[in-house]
Amino acid sequence: SYVLTQPPSVSVAPGQTARITCVGNNIGSKSVHWYQQKPGQAPVVVVYDDSDRPSGIPERFSGFHSGNAATLTISRVEAGDEADYYCQVWDSSSDLWVFGGGTKLTVL
Amino acid sequence: EVQLVESGGGLIQPGGSLRLSCVASGFTVSSDYMSWVRQAPGKGLEWVSVIYSGGSTSYADSVKGRFTISRDNSKNTLYLQMNSLRAEDTAVYYCARVDYPSGHFDYWGQGTLVTVSS
Repeated sequence: SYVLTQPPSVSVAPGQTARITCVGNNIGSKSVHWYQQKPGQAPVVVVYDDSDRPSGIPERFSGFHSGNAATLTISRVEAGDEADYYCQVWDSSSDLWVFGGGTKLTVL
Repeated sequence: EVQLVESGGGLIQPGGSLRLSCVASGFTVSSDYMSWVRQAPGKGLEWVSVIYSGGSTSYADSVKGRFTISRDNSKNTLYLQMNSLRAEDTAVYYCARVDYPSGHFDYWGQGTLVTVSS
């Protein structure tokens, strides 16, 4: 089965740039989606189809992928960005949806 | 406005059964892919099942043969029938709409907690 690997945690100071990686075999050939989840809340998609943002999501959130890694970049990090972030792909060849293990973003 | 509201969670003994419901508004469940995603306490997200617009289904290996996803078009409602429940099925269960063709979950419910314990 397809596996996505994320670092358990990332820390960044306010105003700096946070980068969260998601590693998967040939992930560059798949559409990658990213979700933000705050405590006690349902996940919210912040980037879909590798680099698109839903309406209402700030431009500070961006995505990129190539080869075996995808990256969610959060520029000018704010305290309100502190949350868990998950990457996700649809492995259509096996009819399965896959999430990464999640990364806790801490704003110092 | 799209809205998803889950219900049916609760405390159930190991080996028992439970049926979750997800009432949708603002769109038609039979026209879209619909999915269940769960999250064990303090853990990450785990995809559980999908029902395609055509009615076919797919399941994660962890629930295959025990869980059944279905929908009632007249009630615009998604279901998850869970049988032979185990302690490791304890989780918040979310229903979510799948955006096609990208495969991302664009709308989520608030979740319903299922606790499997004796």
